[in-house]
This record gives sequence, structure tokens and C-alpha cells, in this order.
Amino acid sequence: GQNIDQPTEMTATEGAIVQINCTYQTSGFNGLFWYQQHAGEAPTFLSYNVLDGLEEKGRFSSFLSRSKGYSYLLLKELQMKDSASYLCAANTGGFKTIFGAGTRLFVKA
Amino acid sequence: DVKVTQSSRYLVKRTGEKVFLECVQDMDHENMFWYRQDPGLGLRLIYFSYDVKMKEKGDIPEGYSVSREKKERFSLILESASTNQTSMYLCASRPTISGGIEISTDTQYFGPGTRLTVL
Repeated sequence: GQNIDQPTEMTATEGAIVQINCTYQTSGFNGLFWYQQHAGEAPTFLSYNVLDGLEEKGRFSSFLSRSKGYSYLLLKELQMKDSASYLCAANTGGFKTIFGAGTRLFVKA
Repeated sequence: DVKVTQSSRYLVKRTGEKVFLECVQDMDHENMFWYRQDPGLGLRLIYFSYDVKMKEKGDIPEGYSVSREKKERFSLILESASTNQTSMYLCASRPTISGGIEISTDTQYFGPGTRLTVL
């Protein structure tokens, strides 16, 4: 079967660093997406990892290990506006994407 | 900027009604998708289309049908709405070709979603 697991909720403090983990098991795999979704809004693209390793984009970084079926999203210098759901999604080939249930991040002052 | 629009943000229908959800994208994307999003389950693919008049079943097509008569428009149809179809419905589009190069790994661009309640 195909499965993507990520924690349901996380809480962190403004200014801190938080790491959101994602593990996946899919029958095909081309790469791993991370999306941000604020309540009541559409998901927006954050990153896409194809190769193993860390990719950094400003305050956000994403890591992939294909051999371990593992990824994480790292958010630095947390701001209140980072409170949102973060969706991990695997590109399983062709144009199909399998999504995790999302991790709701609460940033507190 | 890519723009994907959906006909309604909120919709309330009665059991047994026929429901149409419309999605329009303005970036000439070949591929369009319909998902539903439920708490604890994430986004699940209902149907997708890779060209005009072409459609493929996703993971949960039962109770739904789709129509793609024009490249920019992808419609989701609930033939006879049921209460278990109460959900957030998200449309997305994605290019196949960009700058002359096939890019099957590009991200999807999502519409704002339609929250459908079936009573």
C-alpha cells in the first residue's frame, strides 16, 4: 500500500526552530513536496526534493533521504504567521501525488 | 501568477441533489485535478484530466464524475449528493510542458477550495 505519516500537531515558540518529520512508503517515488496551508485557504508550494540532502530556502529548509523514506521540513526563526498546516506529499510517478494528513503547527508568543 | 478559481467558496445542498463544482485555470495547463480534503485524511484524489475530454479515476472516484470540454475548465459532478460527500473540495492544475521542456515534477497550483455541506 501507499502511506505517508506525519505528526498531527506540533507547538513551538516564536523565534524558535521546529522540525516537522514525514515518512513515506509508496510504490513509486520521484520526489517529495512540502506545502503550507493556512486555515480555510489553498495549499501553497514550499519545496520539492528529488535528491538526498538538505535544500535551504530562506527560513525554510527541507531534507530528503530516499533510502530511509524520510523527509523533514525545518522552520527557523518562527513567526506567528507560520501557524498553519504543513502537508507532506510524494510524487509517485506520472502526475499522481499522494498527500499526508498534514501537521498543524501552532506558534505561540 | 497562476490563477485557479473555483465557482463557490461555500455550498449547501440536500441529499439526492445533483451538484456541479466548477474550476477554471488561466495558465494553459494540460493537467487538472479534483481532490477532497477531510480532517485526519489529507487530500485524496478523486479524478484528474491530462487533456481536453480525457479523464482518469483517482483513488476515490465513486459517486463522482467529471467533465473537461475546454482546456481551462474542469468540472466535478456529484450525480446524487450524499451526506458522506460533505467535505472541502480542492481543484488544482499543473503543466506538462514549460519552456518547451516536459516537466512532470512541477508543483500543482491549487484553487481556494469549495466547502460543500450536504444535508
